[in-house]
Order: sequence, then structure tokens, then C-alpha cells
Amino acid sequence: GAGVSQSPRYKVAKRGQDVALRCDPISGHVSLFWYQQALGQGPEFLTYFQNEAQLDKSGLPSDRFFAERPEGSVSTLKIQRTQQEDSAVYLCASSSPRARGGATQYFGPGTRLLVL
Amino acid sequence: GENVEQHPSTLSVQEGDSAVIKCTYSDSASNYFPWYKQELGKGPQLIIDIRSNVGEKKDQRIAVTLNKTAKHFSLHITETQPEDSAVYFCAAPGNNAGNMLTFGGGTRLMVKP
Repeated sequence: GAGVSQSPRYKVAKRGQDVALRCDPISGHVSLFWYQQALGQGPEFLTYFQNEAQLDKSGLPSDRFFAERPEGSVSTLKIQRTQQEDSAVYLCASSSPRARGGATQYFGPGTRLLVL
Repeated sequence: GENVEQHPSTLSVQEGDSAVIKCTYSDSASNYFPWYKQELGKGPQLIIDIRSNVGEKKDQRIAVTLNKTAKHFSLHITETQPEDSAVYFCAAPGNNAGNMLTFGGGTRLMVKP
């Protein structure tokens, strides 16, 4: 079946521009996660949805970052007034919860954002 | 929150040799330990995982061991092949209801033919 898809795959933005990154999770997956991966580092958690509810946004670096998942499937990560330090790969992952925790997270290919 | 340390940061082996990558974690509540492989320009791909009710798990050339007392887990790749060359990440969830993952810093594995 289809995996997690993300679009666009690459985005070049001028500093100050707003961007929107899209994630299509695996069909039926309740949980959706956004991670940010800086060059040469491991992914870092940004935010988490269970269905349409955003249950944790503790990893969002500033109020310029906003995520939504209005119908509990597709999610959009929006970054307003982009800054150079926002340049990174943005990864989306989805999972189907396990009763005892530790659900496997399946990652998309990521969106590589470069802010000039 | 959870803190995951991963070593080494780079590892070079000859084709056919074994490779071992080690991770430590801080939160004793962590009960799930996945390993991901990431190739250039791609997202992380799960290669193996282990849950806290077992100490070792094997899948062909790949194995993971877990020591909950010492709070460390390791990835073992035997009979390495050039296509094993990639960046490998360990992760742990810590104690959070959503099971978001905290990742190690990654190990760049290079398998020389």
C-alpha cells in the first residue's frame, strides 16, 4: 500500500515568506507527527496529532510555526515569516496506536526547506 | 524528557565485517526502541525494533539487544554489504502519552567493498 507522502519535496523561500508543507499519512493511521531534521542531526519532535486533535505542540520552535489536521487525515505545517534558521528537512510520520504503546512510526520522504 | 546518546558518529568497516552501534537512554519509562536507516535524500526507514519485554531480537543480518538495567541498546549488522552504507538512528519514546520519539545523533556507516 501507499506510504506517507509529503509535498513539496523541495522548497526554496525568501526570508520573510510564508510556506506550507503538506503531509498525507498512511490511510487509517490515527497518529501523525512532525519532526524537524537539521543537516547532520537526528530528527527532533515538533508536534503530534491524534485524529484532528493536536495533543502536543511542545516542540514547535516559535509562534511562527503552526500545524493543523482539520479532518484527521492530511496535515499541513505552516511557517510564517521564514528565517534562515528554519532551513531543514521537515519529516512527517504516522502510526496506528498500540494498546500497550510503542507504535511503529512510518516516515515520509521529507520536505527540504531552504530559506535564503 | 528523554535523552538519547548514540555512538559512534561515524563507522567504517570492510565488506563482510560486522558493525555495532550503541545507544543509551535516560528515561526508565521508555519501553520501545526502534532503529531507523536513512539514505541520502530519503526519510528514515524502520529496520528493526525491540520492546522492553525482550532482550534480543534478530532479523536476518540485523539484531538488536536491550539492557534495561543499564539503559542501553545496540544494533548489530553482520556480513555487511555496500548497500548497508547509510545513516542509522536509534530512538526512544520516553514517558509521553503520544509516543513521540527522541532520536540519537546518528551514525554514518560506510561499508567499503
